[in-house]
Amino acid sequence: AQSVTQLGSHVSVSEGALVLLRCNYSSSVPPYLFWYVQYPNQGLQLLLKYTTGATLVKGINGFEAEFKKSETSFHLTKPSAHMSDAAEYFCAVTLYGQNFVFGPGTRLSVLP
Amino acid sequence: EAGVVQSPRYKIIEKKQPVAFWCNPISGHNTLYWYLQNLGQGPELLIRYENEEAVDDSQLPKDRFSAERLKGVDSTLKIQPAELGDSAVYLCASSLAGVGEQFFGPGTRLTVL
Repeated sequence: AQSVTQLGSHVSVSEGALVLLRCNYSSSVPPYLFWYVQYPNQGLQLLLKYTTGATLVKGINGFEAEFKKSETSFHLTKPSAHMSDAAEYFCAVTLYGQNFVFGPGTRLSVLP
Repeated sequence: EAGVVQSPRYKIIEKKQPVAFWCNPISGHNTLYWYLQNLGQGPELLIRYENEEAVDDSQLPKDRFSAERLKGVDSTLKIQPAELGDSAVYLCASSLAGVGEQFFGPGTRLTVL
């Protein structure tokens, strides 16, 4: 069975600073990986996904993530944080035809 | 194109009362999911439908929870009777078959008093 860990339940960065949100997964075979963002009182919105091919994937709002099989990681980064990036971020893993497994989430705060 | 629609957005009930949530997925999406999200946690799957068939309901507490997806389109999730611990956000999502992106509705925030 797959599982996801997200190191750091809360991350604070200054506006303009690098954003790094960590995601590690456990899977017997290379999975499909997703990052979702959730703003207060809203559902989850897809930021980016990795299925096959290029291991560096770019998403919306300037975010990107790199699939590293050797490290079983899929960390999310953004070069320069904006106030509007403050939200909850969830990493998810799945295999074809199976259910998504979501991590516990990381709350990102952006300080002025 | 309309997204996933859920109603109501908020519901407050007393314990032991019944409650129902409704979800209308994106048109053409044959897979529908109900998730439970507790405060500060990620979504946890309750049930997954492929068309009108519940293909995974292993995490659904069947003593008090039930769900249906008649005609393979919209779906209803019911709790009867509700308990204090059921207070949470109930999310509905839909996707195309395979490993498609899941599109989420805004959720229903349930408070049980």
